[in-house]
Amino acid sequence: SQQGEEDPQALSIQEGENATMNCSYKTSINNLQWYRQNSGRGLVHLILIRSNEREKHSGRLRVTLDTSKKSSSLLITASRAADTASYFCATDRGNTGKLIFGQGTTLQVKP
Amino acid sequence: DAGVTQSPTHLIKTRGQQVTLRCSPKSGHDTVSWYQQALGQGPQFIFQYYEEEERQRGNFPDRFSGHQFPNYSSELNVNALLLGDSALYLCASSLGVKLAGTQYFGPGTRLTVL
Repeated sequence: SQQGEEDPQALSIQEGENATMNCSYKTSINNLQWYRQNSGRGLVHLILIRSNEREKHSGRLRVTLDTSKKSSSLLITASRAADTASYFCATDRGNTGKLIFGQGTTLQVKP
Repeated sequence: DAGVTQSPTHLIKTRGQQVTLRCSPKSGHDTVSWYQQALGQGPQFIFQYYEEEERQRGNFPDRFSGHQFPNYSSELNVNALLLGDSALYLCASSLGVKLAGTQYFGPGTRLTVL
């Protein structure tokens, strides 16, 4: 069963615009991770945020975590065509490495 | 530094057959997890191996089994294949089952069951 739910399911923007994806989950967690997947290939880790953190940055990526609302958001600033991919959030409840994924957001960035 | 590798890349089997998928973890990693990703869905956790033992298991039948070798590489075996087993199988490696660090994924094996 899926723990997280991403919103929106699909997003289409122009190059240079910002893209925001949201993730909601059901149970308490120890950390939440965001991954990118290009065309059904392997997953690329983007960022990990722990339950005691509220915000993290990595390059053009900004992730927030609100444990009271059981939600997270991923912001990609100044998007590029190469950012076109599916983005997944994954939660780890007990620091065990067992990741529970959402169904993902498909992002299309038009040149 | 080699990342996570998986073999084969693609595989076609018929119903009832058995399949073995292989994974070599990233250098320095000792924990391997397997995930199944059906088309259009997020990956689902199958099981995790650490110190050559299955440490956690997701909601998958006993037809799915695995093994971890002393060099930390791992195999996923699926018996009595069903059409619904068609999916991308992903292997992920990490360091230490309790460290909750980043998991690195391989490129996956795409299994088609006819």
